[in-house]
Amino acid sequence: GNSVTQMEGPVTLSEEAFLTINCTYTATGYPSLFWYVQYPGEGLQLLLKATKADDKGSNKGFEATYRKETTSFHLEKGSVQVSDSAVYFCALFYNQGGKLIFGQGTELSVKP
Amino acid sequence: DAGVTQSPTHLIKTRGQQVTLRCSPKSGHDTVSWYQQALGQGPQFIFQYYEEEERQRGNFPDRFSGHQFPNYSSELNVNALLLGDSALYLCASSEETGGLAKNIQYFGAGTRLSVL
Repeated sequence: GNSVTQMEGPVTLSEEAFLTINCTYTATGYPSLFWYVQYPGEGLQLLLKATKADDKGSNKGFEATYRKETTSFHLEKGSVQVSDSAVYFCALFYNQGGKLIFGQGTELSVKP
Repeated sequence: DAGVTQSPTHLIKTRGQQVTLRCSPKSGHDTVSWYQQALGQGPQFIFQYYEEEERQRGNFPDRFSGHQFPNYSSELNVNALLLGDSALYLCASSEETGGLAKNIQYFGAGTRLSVL
C-alpha cells in the first residue's frame, strides 16, 4: 500500500546550521508530495508542495525536490532559526483518493 | 478571511460516553476531511465529506461517524469512547474541482480529546 517514512527525531541543531529531514515514500502512480509543519499546540500548516517528478517546492527558505527515481522528498534549509523548532510531516496525496497519507513526523529543535 | 475553525478546543470524557466535534471549513471550500493524530504520531485519515455524503473512509470502526451540513460545516461523532480514542482530532478543508479534490488541504488547530 501507499506509505511515507521519515527519519526519526528528535533532530537537534544549533542556529544557522544546515537542515536535512529525509522522507521516502511508497506509492503507485503519481502522487503529489507535501511538507506540513506543526508548531507546539497548533494544527498543521502547509510548508511546501510538489506535484510531479523533478518539481522543487520552496517556502520560507525551505526546499524539497520530488525525486521519482529514489522515491524521496527530502526537506532542506540552509540556515535554521530557533523559530523553526516544530514537528515536520511529509505526506502524499492522490487527487482521486482525496486523502493525505502522513509520515510519523520529525521533531526539530534549534538551539541559540 | 477565516481559516478552518474547530470547536471545542479541549474535551475530557469518560469511557463509554459519546462526543461530537465540530468544524467550519475555510471560506469557499466544500470538502471536509477528518484526521486523528495520536501523541507522537502522524495524522491518520478518518473520512471525508463532500456534498453532504461520506465519500471515502479510512480504517476506523463504525463508532466513528460524521455529517456535513448544507453550509459545508461538519461534525465528527464518536460513540462508546475508549481510552485509545484520546488524540488530537484535526479537520481539513479543500475545494473540489472537475470531480477531483484539489490537492491542498488546510487544517484547523484541532480538538484535543482526553478519554479517562
